[in-house]
Amino acid sequence: GNSVTQMEGPVTLSEEAFLTINCTYTATGYPSLFWYVQYPGEGLQLLLKATKADDKGSNKGFEATYRKETTSFHLEKGSVQVSDSAVYFCARSTGGFKTIFGAGTRLFVKA
Amino acid sequence: SQTIHQWPATLVQPVGSPLSLECTVEGTSNPNLYWYRQAAGRGLQLLFYSVGIGQISSEVPQNLSASRPQDRQFILSSKKLLLSDSGFYLCAWRSERGANEQYFGPGTRLTVT
Repeated sequence: GNSVTQMEGPVTLSEEAFLTINCTYTATGYPSLFWYVQYPGEGLQLLLKATKADDKGSNKGFEATYRKETTSFHLEKGSVQVSDSAVYFCARSTGGFKTIFGAGTRLFVKA
Repeated sequence: SQTIHQWPATLVQPVGSPLSLECTVEGTSNPNLYWYRQAAGRGLQLLFYSVGIGQISSEVPQNLSASRPQDRQFILSSKKLLLSDSGFYLCAWRSERGANEQYFGPGTRLTVT
């Protein structure tokens, strides 16, 4: 089936720490993959995307690489800031009209 | 550029009252439109989506309905709200170019009392 699994949170880090949020997907074919970020009280914002194997999406210091062999799309950032505190959602296209979202991972960054 | 609007931003309604939430998109034509609900601290639940005027697909049987009276307008309604309808309601539109990513509105916080 089609699903997206991401690591449970919350993830708590100190400022300037390295961030990894794991995401794996199941799929037939070659879905597009996305990371979204949701700040408190707001809608989701597209953070980055990748459309084919080995593509690397990047934005605002965040990166994720489309790994077909491990069906993964892990989110990384070398040095997090307090302002990165938010909920992060991994997602994949379905080839139809819908997008499948993971359950979300809450990140807290302490000063 | 495209923008998506939702209103109201917050709403407090008593149980049994009606509901109407509105979503409009600017800067694109014939978008796919979506309504999601997000319970407190939880993930996204797809409620409805629409691929054109008057075309509504329901994902979860429940107390809500949706309508699309115009190309860029999507409305979420209820005749009688339940306590369990409380949540954060998000409207989104999808690009048919590129990766088919979705773009979300600012959301409506609904509290049913």
